[in-house]
Amino acid sequence: DGGITQSPKYLFRKEGQNVTLSCEQNLNHDAMYWYRQDPGQGLRLIYYSQIVNDFQKGDIAEGYSVSREKKESFPLTVTSAQKNPTAFYLCASTPGQGNQPQHFGDGTRLSIL
Amino acid sequence: SQQGEEDPQALSIQEGENATMNCSYKTSINNLQWYRQNSGRGLVHLILIRSNEREKHSGRLRVTLDTSKKSSSLLITASRAADTASYFCATDASGGSYIPTFGRGTSLIVHP
Repeated sequence: DGGITQSPKYLFRKEGQNVTLSCEQNLNHDAMYWYRQDPGQGLRLIYYSQIVNDFQKGDIAEGYSVSREKKESFPLTVTSAQKNPTAFYLCASTPGQGNQPQHFGDGTRLSIL
Repeated sequence: SQQGEEDPQALSIQEGENATMNCSYKTSINNLQWYRQNSGRGLVHLILIRSNEREKHSGRLRVTLDTSKKSSSLLITASRAADTASYFCATDASGGSYIPTFGRGTSLIVHP
């Protein structure tokens, strides 16, 4: 079955450490997105990529970095510059540009040790 | 800033009752989407309604859109305990980047 796989499901970060969240899709979608969700909040856009080797900052990109070397993969690195990284991180994809239904992974919950 | 805002923030009903959630937004849109999120899971797309549509149905779901009031509603009829989840509306800004902006969601609890 096609879908989006996020790993790991739970991740713990030590102070000063960078951690990378994985997002892989086998839907052959061009566009991929990373969102952050805090308790009782909506989703806030961190980064998005509409095509391989290209990506744009979202509303809260500071302290995060991404790469898009392959169509199916869009990893997110939470750097030590992100002082409040504890949140639920969601990856999504769409077939192309434009406001289309997004397909989501099941998220990674990141906590601070 | 968030484009769509859902109301109420929380809703508690009995199985078999109807559940209505509302979404208000601030600027003109191309379309509006509703999503569902079970606890600890990703979002699942429910319905997309375009700005030139007024009503859309999908099974027990009915979505309305009133562009003059900049609002939408999601009605779940004959609710079931399995409908317990958070529901989000997502809007794009007409003439913008087409990236949807999500509201804070309505938390629905359906008691068996």
